[in-house]
Amino acid sequence: QVQLVQSGTEVKKPGASVKVSCKASGYTFLSYGISWVRQAPGQGLEWMGRISAYNGNTNYAQKLRGRVTMTTDASTNTAYMELRSLRSDDTAVYYCARDGRPYSNSWHDYWGQGTLVTVSS
Amino acid sequence: DIQMTQSPSSLSASVGDRVTITCQASQDINNYLNWYQQKPGKAPKLLIYDASNLETGVPSRFSGSGSGTDFTFTISSLQPEDIATYYCQQYDNLPYSFGQGTKLEIK
Repeated sequence: QVQLVQSGTEVKKPGASVKVSCKASGYTFLSYGISWVRQAPGQGLEWMGRISAYNGNTNYAQKLRGRVTMTTDASTNTAYMELRSLRSDDTAVYYCARDGRPYSNSWHDYWGQGTLVTVSS
Repeated sequence: DIQMTQSPSSLSASVGDRVTITCQASQDINNYLNWYQQKPGKAPKLLIYDASNLETGVPSRFSGSGSGTDFTFTISSLQPEDIATYYCQQYDNLPYSFGQGTKLEIK
């Protein structure tokens, strides 16, 4: 069965960086893209970007461009999201989510459990 | 960027009621519209993709319709376990924006 398992809770100071991992299992990792979505406390869902596990192509939300990097490691079936120059408004639960169709942007059919990142001095 | 406007933002209904949520896109999104359910403390769950396709394993009381810019999500007979927040999302154009959510409560 498809599973996405994310790394644990992080507490960071303003200006620091965080790297969240998302380990995939139960499917052919290289065939599906991974998106990252975040949710600030009590707020809605915000799409951050997507990476193709097949060729590494990335698309990032404009507001995060320059601070976010998404990567994959096919040897361990793991996707990563690094966010730099953290601010208090980056405090959120961060989710990874798999594309529902291979080799194509689409809906998100499987989600990780979420990783809480708290940015506080 | 494409703006997704959901309404209502909150909704109170009784068990057995028919519930409808709408989502309007700021431009034509070619039916690339998904619906998710999120319960407190949990990851979102895909219910409907491409406007009207029911995800495998999702109860048939959930349905979606619409095209172009105007879309509708319906629960035909509300059940207690349907209490959640529902989000629409477009993936026609980057960034793949979500609606602001509709919080559904039991009356």
